[in-house]
Amino acid sequence: ELKVEQNPLFLSMQEGKNYTIYCNYSTTSDRLYWYRQDPGKSLESLFVLLSNGAVKQEGRLMASLDTKARLSTLHITAAVHDLSATYFCAVDDYKLSFGAGTTVTVRA
Amino acid sequence: GAVVSQHPSWVICKSGTSVKIECRSLDFQATTMFWYRQFPKQSLMLMATSNEGSKATYEQGVEKDKFLINHASLTLSTLTVTSAHPEDSSFYICSARLLGQGTTNEKLFFGSGTQLSVL
Repeated sequence: ELKVEQNPLFLSMQEGKNYTIYCNYSTTSDRLYWYRQDPGKSLESLFVLLSNGAVKQEGRLMASLDTKARLSTLHITAAVHDLSATYFCAVDDYKLSFGAGTTVTVRA
Repeated sequence: GAVVSQHPSWVICKSGTSVKIECRSLDFQATTMFWYRQFPKQSLMLMATSNEGSKATYEQGVEKDKFLINHASLTLSTLTVTSAHPEDSSFYICSARLLGQGTTNEKLFFGSGTQLSVL
């Protein structure tokens, strides 16, 4: 059974500082997704990582994938309040398996 | 970009009634759609994989007779919660897979979700 472990589960960020969310998984898949979810809403796609060493950046967010270590990271640079949300990683082994999610709160 | 339409967005029903949720791919054909449920402050759990023209594949622990899935066309999958009970109250989300040229162009699109409340 594919396992996706995401940590931390809760992250209180201070505005302007940098943070990282980690996603470990147990399969050999090289397809990993990052999503954002706001309360009461569906998922917003952030990044699609399709190969070892893939790195993608959008604004203050940067995601990377190391398939050998079975690890993906989501790095947040200079956190701002608008980034408060829950972030999920998901591994695609034909069907998606989601991590538990990281609830991010950004405080002034 | 491709859009997946899901409705209703929310539904309140009495215990014992059935509720149908629709998931449509608006500008592409989706041979495969997925249904998830999400309890408050929890992750998404895959319920079943819906394949056009064939029976859905249910995940372990999901009652196929309670959660009926029909994928009659390449653009529509429906989830019917039969004889709903309060414990079925949850957020249900569908997703559709868009196949491009080669596997690297596959994309997944999510519906907006349906909040089901069973009284």
